[in-house]
Amino acid sequence: AQTVTQSQPEMSVQEAETVTLSCTYDTSESDYYLFWYKQPPSRQMILVIRQEAYKQQNATENRFSVNFQKAAKSFSLKISDSQLGDAAMYFCAYRVRDDKIIFGKGTRLHILP
Amino acid sequence: ETGVTQSPTHLIKTRGQQVTLRCSSQSGHNTVSWYQQALGQGPQFIFQYYREEENGRGNFPPRFSGLQFPNYSSELNVNALELDDSALYLCASSLPTLGGHEQYFGPGTRLTVT
Repeated sequence: AQTVTQSQPEMSVQEAETVTLSCTYDTSESDYYLFWYKQPPSRQMILVIRQEAYKQQNATENRFSVNFQKAAKSFSLKISDSQLGDAAMYFCAYRVRDDKIIFGKGTRLHILP
Repeated sequence: ETGVTQSPTHLIKTRGQQVTLRCSSQSGHNTVSWYQQALGQGPQFIFQYYREEENGRGNFPPRFSGLQFPNYSSELNVNALELDDSALYLCASSLPTLGGHEQYFGPGTRLTVT
């Protein structure tokens, strides 16, 4: 069965500091996509970053980067220079060809001023 | 470009009633997926519609049903509501290709069953 596990229900980071959110997944597929979504209190699910499993290079989007370890089935998100607007629920997610997304339970990120 | 919209924003129903939630997909997107997000949980896949046909279903009972219209908008219908159906219902639209495309989410409908 395909599963996504986020072991950190909540995390806090000081503004301007760096934080890493952890995610592991389980799959027998070789071709898939991994995502980090952000869900602020407004409830809108926003795509933060995506990684194609066939790409060895880690994806980067401005202050957001991932550490993708395919053999270990690990996909962590690093947020640099944390800002107050980064406070939200973050979901790690996985998808195969059929376009169904499997989400983890989420990590609530608090930014301390 | 118009994003994904959902209506209504909030809804309160009584156990045993039926409810219809609506989703308008992003312009040009022919696939709509529905997810149920219980409080404090990640979204769970309900089903997906592609060109008006159901194209995959998660572990939800038959009282959860859907439709997709020629303009690719979609409805989620839930019959015989139960208290556990209280959740945020999200729809997402996409334009699948062999290479895959992101799903763009709407703001959700908060359903409360009393």
